[in-house]
Order: sequence, then structure tokens, then C-alpha cells
Amino acid sequence: GAGVSQSPSNKVTEKGKDVELRCDPISGHTALYWYRQSLGQGLEFLIYFQGNSAPDKSGLPSDRFSAERTGGSVSTLTIQRTQQEDSAVYLCASSLEGGGGAETQYFGPGTRLLVL
Amino acid sequence: AQSVTQLDSQVPVFEEAPVELRCNYSSSVSVYLFWYVQYPNQGLQLLLKYLSGSTLVKGINGFEAEFNKSQTSFHLRKPSVHISDTAEYFCAVRKSGYSTLTFGKGTMLLVSP
Repeated sequence: GAGVSQSPSNKVTEKGKDVELRCDPISGHTALYWYRQSLGQGLEFLIYFQGNSAPDKSGLPSDRFSAERTGGSVSTLTIQRTQQEDSAVYLCASSLEGGGGAETQYFGPGTRLLVL
Repeated sequence: AQSVTQLDSQVPVFEEAPVELRCNYSSSVSVYLFWYVQYPNQGLQLLLKYLSGSTLVKGINGFEAEFNKSQTSFHLRKPSVHISDTAEYFCAVRKSGYSTLTFGKGTMLLVSP
């Protein structure tokens, strides 16, 4: 596709419910990243995929957060038993390659999550 | 671990005036440096990046940044801003050999007529 897409663009949920956020990276990009943007915390790294595996998931804040990537393409970030502090904008990015080289990360528009 | 400091949370400026957005980083190893811009309700767009070579990097929309290794800085500049430059600007660093970005907390650039 033309760029990274994310769905839904907005999600309102009740505390305690589970939510799934989807990311479609740029076609052919092998690396995929999830970040969270919240007031007071700025932009925080959550997890990085290279292909279908996640060599770095050090940013996931708790075991309520998980993510998977299938077919080297679409990724889903799942938050179980949501809490109000999970309210944030969740941003997905992809790059042609991972591995810490000179590649640029391209960001999607984000999913705005509000937990009531 | 690396960290990024953007000293100014907000920078108000008049249209056609010059602007500098400051960014300092700390890292014990080689890094790559980036500036991203975020317009309201949009994702992040890359403005420019420093990988190696010339310390003066030119980006889109007339922005440029200078890498200063001794001062561990990567300040963003534009000689004459437009109303349309109103947005939030994020400085980010990535350690050589690592894939993830560490962001500063952002600087909101407010351009008024």
C-alpha cells in the first residue's frame, strides 16, 4: 500500500475489556514497530518485529499487552483487561529492514484508545 | 541507555521569523539522529535524519539540522517559518546496531501571524 495503515482510528472501551489494534505495514517492509504516545510520557517504544518474530519486546508495560505478526505483514496489538492508564495513541511504524542500520521508520496515523 | 532531551515544550514564533528547536541526546555509542513532525491528528512524518558524513543535514519543508558531536546536540532550524509549520516536532535517536527509536518529549511549534 501507499503507507502504513492502522485500524480502528479511534476506539472507546470500558475498563476491563480487551481490545485489538491492527497495523498494516508498507508492502515489503520486513520490520514493524509499535509505539505508544501518551500525555506526560511522550512516545514510548513497545515492541519490534523482524518478520514474524519479536526480537525486542522490552517496551511492553505489562503482561496484559501482547502482539503478534503473521505472514510477515499485518500485526495485531492486544491489550487485555484494559485500564484507564492504557488510554493513549498507539502508533505503528514499518521499515524496509530492521537490524539497526540506516533505514527510516514510516509511521501510520495511529489508533486513539480511550478507556472509560 | 540513550536518552533524548527537548528542552522546550512549546516555542511560539511569528510568521517569517527564524526558529531553532533544541535537541540534546546522551549515548555512549554511535547513534543515528532523526527529526519527525506530527501535524494535528496525524502520524509522524520524517523531516530529516543524520546517519554519517556532513554534519549539516537538510530536510523537507526548508528545515535543516546540525549534528554536534562534542555538544551531543542535533538542533533543528528554519530561517523563515510559515503558519503551516505549526505542529509538534520530535527528536529521536537510534543506537547503531539497534532498531528501536528513543524519542524526546516533543516541542510544539506555534506560528502566529
